[in-house]
Formats: sequence, C-alpha cells, structure tokens
Amino acid sequence: GENVEQHPSTLSVQEGDSAVIKCTYSDSASNYFPWYKQELGKRPQLIIDIRSNVGEKKDQRIAVTLNKTAKHFSLHITETQPEDSAVYFCAASHTGANSKLTFGKGITLSVRP
Amino acid sequence: GAVVSQHPSRVICKSGTSVKIECRSLDFQATTMFWYRQFPKKSLMLMATSNEGSKATYEQGVEKDKFLINHASLTLSTLTVTSAHPEDSSFYICSAPTPHGGLDNEQFFGPGTRLTVL
Repeated sequence: GENVEQHPSTLSVQEGDSAVIKCTYSDSASNYFPWYKQELGKRPQLIIDIRSNVGEKKDQRIAVTLNKTAKHFSLHITETQPEDSAVYFCAASHTGANSKLTFGKGITLSVRP
Repeated sequence: GAVVSQHPSRVICKSGTSVKIECRSLDFQATTMFWYRQFPKKSLMLMATSNEGSKATYEQGVEKDKFLINHASLTLSTLTVTSAHPEDSSFYICSAPTPHGGLDNEQFFGPGTRLTVL
C-alpha cells in the first residue's frame, strides 16, 4: 500500500518569510496529491492539490510542486502570516473519486510575529 | 461547495457502552464515505470505507465487529463504536468524495466527533 512520509514534524518561521514542507510517497500509481491545513479540534481544510499531469500549481501565497520521478511533492507558503500557524498534512491517492487518501504524519507550522 | 455534517460533535460515555456517530452529505449524494480516527497530535488514519448498498471495507488492524459501519442511504453513513473503552477515545472524522465524479478526487470532511470514554 501507499506510504507517505512528511518531514520535519515541526517548522518555525518568522512572519513574512517563506515556509517549505516536503513529502515523499511510495506508490507510483498515486496521482492525486492534496495538502490540508488543520487547526486544533477542527476538520482538515483543503488548501491546494495537484494531479500528476501537472508539475506545479499556485494559488496566491500557496504553491505546490510535484516531482513524479522522485516521488516527492512540496508545499510552499510565501509571506507567511501568524494565521498560517496550524498543522499541515500532505496526502496521496489514486485517480477516482472513491480512491482513499493516505496521509503523512503532519507538520506543525509556527509563524512567529 | 459540498457540505458534510457529523453528529454528535462531542460525546462522553462510560466504558462498555456503545456510541453511534452519524455522517451526512447535506447537498449531494455519496455512494462512498470514509471514516478516519485521529489521536491527539497524530495524523488521520483511515479506518474503513463505507459503501452504500454493500459491506464496508476495513483497513488492516481495524476490528470490524467493534467498529460497525452502516451506509443506510446515499446521504448517511453511521459508525458505531461497540463496547467502547478508554483507548477508543479519539477524534473521529468522516469524509465523502466530491459529487462531481470522474477523475476528481477531492474529499469533503465532516467537522469531526470527539469521543471520550470514561
């Protein structure tokens, strides 16, 4: 089955700096890679996703890059703000609406004011 | 966007009792729903895939007789934790795939249910 690794487990940055979070996956058949932000006690919120036919996707301050050959994908947050502080999870799945997601362990991002 | 609800949001029960958690897709139909468990400061772990009209598919290590899943209709899946014990205390979250179908994989998560077993 799929194994998604996420490192490091914590990341602290100064407000305004960029943050990069990396994930690797094992299943070469995976082709959907979402990133979720989860605040304490809340549901995960999709912030951006990428499919294997695309190498990069950007949405305002957030971008995701995918390297299928190396089986890794990264989340980039620019101009970080204190409200970006949360736990971020990467995940991977196959194609299809009923495909199950495999999550990474998550990273706690702290943005220092 | 698609909305998924869960009920209850919080439940406290005594050891040995059973607890039922409901997951509803409010404005779309879902033939498949997913149930996750999340322990404090841990990731979401898939417990099972709930299938409307057929048996649920459980992940390895998840006891199907302890965690009963019933996909009663195209908008409702229930998870019953039978004979709950303190180690079952966790955050249970359901999700449903996008109603758009096709290659789209986005999942919509419910708000979660915090279960505390005394």
